[in-house]
Amino acid sequence: NAGVMQNPRHLVRRRGQEARLRCSPMKGHSHVYWYRQLPEEGLKFMVYLQKENIIDESGMPKERFSAEFPKEGPSILRIQQVVRGDSAAYFCASSPPGENVYEQYFGPGTRLTVT
Amino acid sequence: KQEVTQIPAALSVPEGENLVLNCSFTDSAIYNLQWFRQDPGKGLTSLLLIQSSQREQTSGRLNASLDKSSGRSTLYIAASQPGDSATYLCAVKDQAGTALIFGKGTTLSVSS
Repeated sequence: NAGVMQNPRHLVRRRGQEARLRCSPMKGHSHVYWYRQLPEEGLKFMVYLQKENIIDESGMPKERFSAEFPKEGPSILRIQQVVRGDSAAYFCASSPPGENVYEQYFGPGTRLTVT
Repeated sequence: KQEVTQIPAALSVPEGENLVLNCSFTDSAIYNLQWFRQDPGKGLTSLLLIQSSQREQTSGRLNASLDKSSGRSTLYIAASQPGDSATYLCAVKDQAGTALIFGKGTTLSVSS
């Protein structure tokens, strides 16, 4: 059973471009979480999704950021018109379905550099 | 608002020493607490998960304890090895929410 997959592992974008980060959860997992780790900061929650639904986006910046988890395919975190302050490591985690959701399993992360 | 603090921020020990990493949280109404390991430039590896009803969990040389009433957890590492060098993160899950709330971590360096 493969773990949580994220791609690309490293992404370089110039200011103003769009960044698309992909996350494939573990097999059988239907809950996906995105976290961001800024330099010298802890991991901060961004958004929690289930298939075709955004459950909690309280940690998402109000502008330029969006996320989706379609019925088929990976979850996508999209950042439009990137700025230098978006440079960070973005981690995806997944967990199995059900109300008693315990452990989150993390992917290797995507390191975004904005030049 | 839940806040998680980890002390110390960095720790250096010689190989073979037993050590304790500390984690504190401000709101004792947690659902569970997880300890992770993060190697430089890598993702997070889950080490131990403690449910709110549990007092401790053990895995190999690692033992994590939880004292909800005082808002504290400790991660005990026995007979430390250079391979234990990494950043250790503590995270709590609130009962009301679904996200993990992380501390900033303790960076451990074990010298041979």
